[in-house]
Amino acid sequence: EAGVAQSPRYKIIEKRQSVAFWCNPISGHATLYWYQQILGQGPKLLIQFQNNGVVDDSQLPKDRFSAERLKGVDSTLKIQPAKLEDSAVYLCASRNNRGPQDTQYFGPGTRLTVL
Amino acid sequence: SQKIEQNSEALNIQEGKTATLTCNYTNYSPAYLQWYRQDPGRGPVFLLLIRENEKEKRKERLKVTFDTTLKQSLFHITASQPADSATYLCALGPPSGTYKYIFGTGTRLKVLA
Repeated sequence: EAGVAQSPRYKIIEKRQSVAFWCNPISGHATLYWYQQILGQGPKLLIQFQNNGVVDDSQLPKDRFSAERLKGVDSTLKIQPAKLEDSAVYLCASRNNRGPQDTQYFGPGTRLTVL
Repeated sequence: SQKIEQNSEALNIQEGKTATLTCNYTNYSPAYLQWYRQDPGRGPVFLLLIRENEKEKRKERLKVTFDTTLKQSLFHITASQPADSATYLCALGPPSGTYKYIFGTGTRLKVLA
């Protein structure tokens, strides 16, 4: 079974530029998460999708961040414009929905550096 | 607000000893708690899940306890090996079934040969 795929793995941009990240979850996983992980901290949930609908985006800075999951499969996360404090690793995870025993599977993450 | 605390300082132990990591939480009533391992440059990997009505869970050299009165979980690695060196994260799951997880800050473990 293929894991969660993310691209790019690394991205360096100037502040005020735009950037987009892509995630392909494990086949058949209805739930998809985007997390932000700042160095030395745990992952912080940005947005959670159930199929192609948003379940929770309460911690997504909506003035600059946007995310979509068209057709309930792949997802993209965009930052426009980027700020220095957006430097972090952006993790995508997916999950089956059979019950609490089902865990999240994480991708390798995209490391973003904003200069 | 909800808060999850893990040992912020790195934990160094000698090979063969038991490592014990702590996860404390406040203002939250999780239905279950998970532990993950994260290696540098990689995403977290699930290790164990324990439910609120379970006191202890084991998997090979790993043991997790969950005390909902103390609002604390302990994660033990017995007979530790240098390969166990990593950051360990705890994550709380809500009772509502939304599967929205809250992660702790993680504890970095280093097992010395």
